[in-house]
Amino acid sequence: DQQVKQNSPSLSVQEGRISILNCDYTNSMFDYFLWYKKYPAEGPTFLISISSIKDKNEDGRFTVFLNKSAKHLSLHIVPSQPGDSAVYFCAASALGSGGYQKVTFGTGTKLQVIP
Amino acid sequence: NAGVTQTPKFRVLKTGQSMTLLCAQDMNHEYMYWYRQDPGMGLRLIHYSVGEGTTAKGEVPDGYNVSRLKKQNFLLGLESAAPSQTSVYFCASSYSIGGLLNTEAFFGQGTRLTVV
Repeated sequence: DQQVKQNSPSLSVQEGRISILNCDYTNSMFDYFLWYKKYPAEGPTFLISISSIKDKNEDGRFTVFLNKSAKHLSLHIVPSQPGDSAVYFCAASALGSGGYQKVTFGTGTKLQVIP
Repeated sequence: NAGVTQTPKFRVLKTGQSMTLLCAQDMNHEYMYWYRQDPGMGLRLIHYSVGEGTTAKGEVPDGYNVSRLKKQNFLLGLESAAPSQTSVYFCASSYSIGGLLNTEAFFGQGTRLTVV
């Protein structure tokens, strides 16, 4: 049961254009959402996050939008740069048993920014 | 500042062999995790620890054991490796704010394990 879904395995965008990466979730108990970026042969690195009490969070070229009624999350990158080419993981967390904040990852979307 | 360091980076095991993966963090984080990444599966949690001397099972714990004898180290053991354990393993650590864990995790560079 995939509670966090990234239905697009890959995305190609022209440099300078907007990249939109999407994520859907099914668990209404998720209260915190994160995006990680991963380059080949490296570990994921944190990019941006959003609390469930907000609908938008912006950090430079990166903006995350949260639509709770649709259980949908999106990451916008504007403008896209070749260095943004990486795999992007959506992640969602909810309080689990024992007080642990359980984090569930999506399967990732590979973004290619074409110069 | 090293962050999270995993040892080794690569390893090939024969079926039935055992090994230990070491994770070390220098950020004084309370929480540590072991994930595995497989094609089309995202990152799946194997085991985690909420503090020194404590460990707990994640989503896919079978075939693995862990120990956290020191706050900065989290060890992942495979007692009898199987081909199904061929994967890329990531260690991560995180911290809490006011008891809440709504913070990002810091990942190591990964260990690529092949079991033949």
